[in-house]
Amino acid sequence: DAGVIQSPRHEVTEMGQEVTLRCKPISGHNSLFWYRQTMMRGLELLIYFNNNVPIDDSGMPEDRFSAKMPNASFSTLKIQPSEPRDSAVYFCASSFRGIDGKLFFGSGTQLSVL
Amino acid sequence: KQEVTQIPAALSVPEGENLVLNCSFTDSAIYNLQWFRQDPGKGLTSLLLIQSSQREQTSGRLNASLDKSSGRSTLYIAASQPGDSATYLCALRSNQAGTALIFGKGTTLSVSS
Repeated sequence: DAGVIQSPRHEVTEMGQEVTLRCKPISGHNSLFWYRQTMMRGLELLIYFNNNVPIDDSGMPEDRFSAKMPNASFSTLKIQPSEPRDSAVYFCASSFRGIDGKLFFGSGTQLSVL
Repeated sequence: KQEVTQIPAALSVPEGENLVLNCSFTDSAIYNLQWFRQDPGKGLTSLLLIQSSQREQTSGRLNASLDKSSGRSTLYIAASQPGDSATYLCALRSNQAGTALIFGKGTTLSVSS
């Protein structure tokens, strides 16, 4: 198995632009998580999907952030408009047993908003 | 509010040494706890998962323990190797915290040859 696949690996954009991050979970996993990692705040959960349905989006910072999971093999995290304070590493993770099981992380997307 | 603390933030040891990484939490009402490894520029790799009813888990040279009453978990690494150099994070799911795994800031380990 190729593991959790994220794209792009790096994204540099200007303030105000739309940014779309992509994630392909491990085949057969029924849960998908989006995390953000910064030096100051560490790892924070943004949103959690179970069977393609958003279960907990309480970590989504504000209306500029949105996430979708149109099918079991694909999810997107969109920021519109982007701001410099959104600069961080964004991780996608999947799990076979939802919140009870081990999480498998992708390699992350390093986002820089200038 | 549940808080997870890992001290020290960084640790350097010579190859071959046995070592213990610490994780403390403020609320003992946890569902499970995981230890992760993160290499620079990479994602996290789950090392061990301990359910609240368990006291420890072992995988190879790694042993993780959980003491809910004292609010502590430890990750023991036996016979450390340079390849063990990475950041180690603990994360727990609290009974009251819903779905979010609460992460510590991690301990960055450097093993010199």
